[in-house]
Amino acid sequence: NAGVTQTPKFQVLKTGQSMTLQCAQDMNHEYMSWYRQDPGMGLRLIHYSVGAGITDQGEVPNGYNVSRSTTEDFPLRLLSAAPSQTSVYFCASRSPARGSSYEQYFGPGTRLTVT
Amino acid sequence: RKEVEQDPGPFNVPEGATVAFNCTYSNSASQSFFWYRQDCRKEPKLLMSVYSSGNEDGRFTAQLNRASQYISLLIRDSKLSDSATYLCVVITGGYNKLIFGAGTRLAVHP
Repeated sequence: NAGVTQTPKFQVLKTGQSMTLQCAQDMNHEYMSWYRQDPGMGLRLIHYSVGAGITDQGEVPNGYNVSRSTTEDFPLRLLSAAPSQTSVYFCASRSPARGSSYEQYFGPGTRLTVT
Repeated sequence: RKEVEQDPGPFNVPEGATVAFNCTYSNSASQSFFWYRQDCRKEPKLLMSVYSSGNEDGRFTAQLNRASQYISLLIRDSKLSDSATYLCVVITGGYNKLIFGAGTRLAVHP
């Protein structure tokens, strides 16, 4: 199993450009999430999905769109890039199992710089 | 006030030392707690869950204090390979959202 994969690993955008960060998982997980990580801020939830066709906003959704047409894929779209979106983006997935045995799996991250 | 707060460190300790991190959370209804480890420029990975009765995994011990709303992580006999950032994670409300602390950085030196 590849686990959670993300592409690209690095990206530089100019202000106003749009792009899509790709995320895929092969563990048949229902839940998928996108986070951004900034120095001193921890990981902040952008959008999440509890299954194909179902998405919802997290803590910092502005400037980002998501869709979930399949269980495996959960792309994140930046509509019009801004320097404030310079960050490291992590995609994550998990099963909906409850209890303390819960574990969320993360992709390797995409390092985005907006100039 | 942040929902989950951690001392950012860094904690600089020699090999073999015992070190402890605390994490406080603001929502008394929080029901699940975890410690994740993140190596430099890598993705976070689950280190251990935190049970109400406290739990141990080798050199690592996690404790939960619901009355004071904090969790702790104790690392005994520190190794160079323990150098990383330790993230406190809390689940509050539904199981869809994990709230992450900003992390505590640990540097173990020879």
